[in-house]
Amino acid sequence: QKEVEQNSGPLSVPEGAIASLNCTYSDRGSQSFFWYRQYSGKSPELIMFIYSNGDKEDGRFTAQLNKASQYVSLLIRDSQPSDSATYLCAVNDYKLSFGAGTTVTVRA
Amino acid sequence: NAGVTQTPKFQVLKTGQSMTLQCAQDMNHNSMYWYRQDPGMGLRLIYYSASEGTTDKGEVPNGYNVSRLNKREFSLRLESAAPSQTSVYFCASSEGRADTQYFGPGTRLTVL
Repeated sequence: QKEVEQNSGPLSVPEGAIASLNCTYSDRGSQSFFWYRQYSGKSPELIMFIYSNGDKEDGRFTAQLNKASQYVSLLIRDSQPSDSATYLCAVNDYKLSFGAGTTVTVRA
Repeated sequence: NAGVTQTPKFQVLKTGQSMTLQCAQDMNHNSMYWYRQDPGMGLRLIYYSASEGTTDKGEVPNGYNVSRLNKREFSLRLESAAPSQTSVYFCASSEGRADTQYFGPGTRLTVL
């Protein structure tokens, strides 16, 4: 089983809607979790990190972590065309393991 | 503050040729990493250096070597390139191993 699994895309949402991205991980001892955004042809850039169970909000982005279920998610509220990108979930258990990514397209 | 820089941006090699990818960071980070990214595979760790003077293998180290030249610089060498090494290579750095990693712009390598 792959260490980090993301829901397969692509995910298409209308402008203004909520995009919901999911990620599960296999190592129960993992401590820190990251969401990166990657535009086509560019390098990954950090959106958010989360260490504790619960929700963490930053502007239009909310990360949710449930360590008991080994699940981390990212919500993008009021989606904009500029949010169209691939979103990478990463889990750090002394090495950063990445999921394959979910491509999001926001339709104007 | 340039962050993480990589050279070259693009490279085409023939099978069996060698080359070195260069990476430098100006954030005084302790840890540096090399990843490759292939379609549908996400980012896979090749080698990392937790601190100056140390290097360790990642998930896919075969066919590569690394050198942590000093705190700023971490190079990746392909001794005998193979078509399977065609990929986009990213260098990253972080303050410590558990901290946020910051990525360079990448090197697109094609091996014919």
